[in-house]
Amino acid sequence: DGGITQSPKYLFRKEGQNVTLSCEQNLNHDAMYWYRQDPGQGLRLIYYSQIVNDFQKGDIAEGYSVSREKKESFPLTVTSAQKNPTAFYLCASSDPRGLGYTFGSGTRLTVV
Amino acid sequence: GESVGLHLPTLSVQEGDNSIINCAYSNSASDYFIWYKQESGKGPQFIIDIRSNMDKRQGQRVTVLLNKTVKHLSLQIAATQPGDSAVYFCAENRMKTSYDKVIFGPGTSLSVIP
Repeated sequence: DGGITQSPKYLFRKEGQNVTLSCEQNLNHDAMYWYRQDPGQGLRLIYYSQIVNDFQKGDIAEGYSVSREKKESFPLTVTSAQKNPTAFYLCASSDPRGLGYTFGSGTRLTVV
Repeated sequence: GESVGLHLPTLSVQEGDNSIINCAYSNSASDYFIWYKQESGKGPQFIIDIRSNMDKRQGQRVTVLLNKTVKHLSLQIAATQPGDSAVYFCAENRMKTSYDKVIFGPGTSLSVIP
């Protein structure tokens, strides 16, 4: 079955550490996205990528970095520059026009 | 700037009753709208979509209504069940462009009272 796989489901990070969240899709979608979700709030766009080797900053890109070396993969690195990284992170993919938007099951990141 | 918002952050409904979740959008150029359901600890799941050339679309127990005159979108859930308890998001998009970001509303938390 086609879908998006995020891993790990839960992640703990110490202060000052970088961590990388994995996102893999087998839907043959060109576009991929990373969102952050905080309790009681909507989805905020971190980064998005329309094609391989290209990505754009979203609304809250500071303290995050991404890469898109393969169509199927769009990993997100939460750097030590992100001062408040504790949140639920969602990856999504779609066709180039945003149709068929499909989400992964999310990664909950906690700073300890 | 454009935004998609929901009128109520929370909604409580008796099991078996119908639920109506509302959404307002501000960009008249939006021509594609989606409703998502997000259960606790999971990613949002697609429920139903509607294009701007329609004013109503029905699915299984769900109906989406679009009123372009007042830029209003609603999701109706018939015979609400405990499994419908979740956060519901509306989202807007513009299909006419080669690419545009999907904009999500803040969500409405639906609680079903047994």
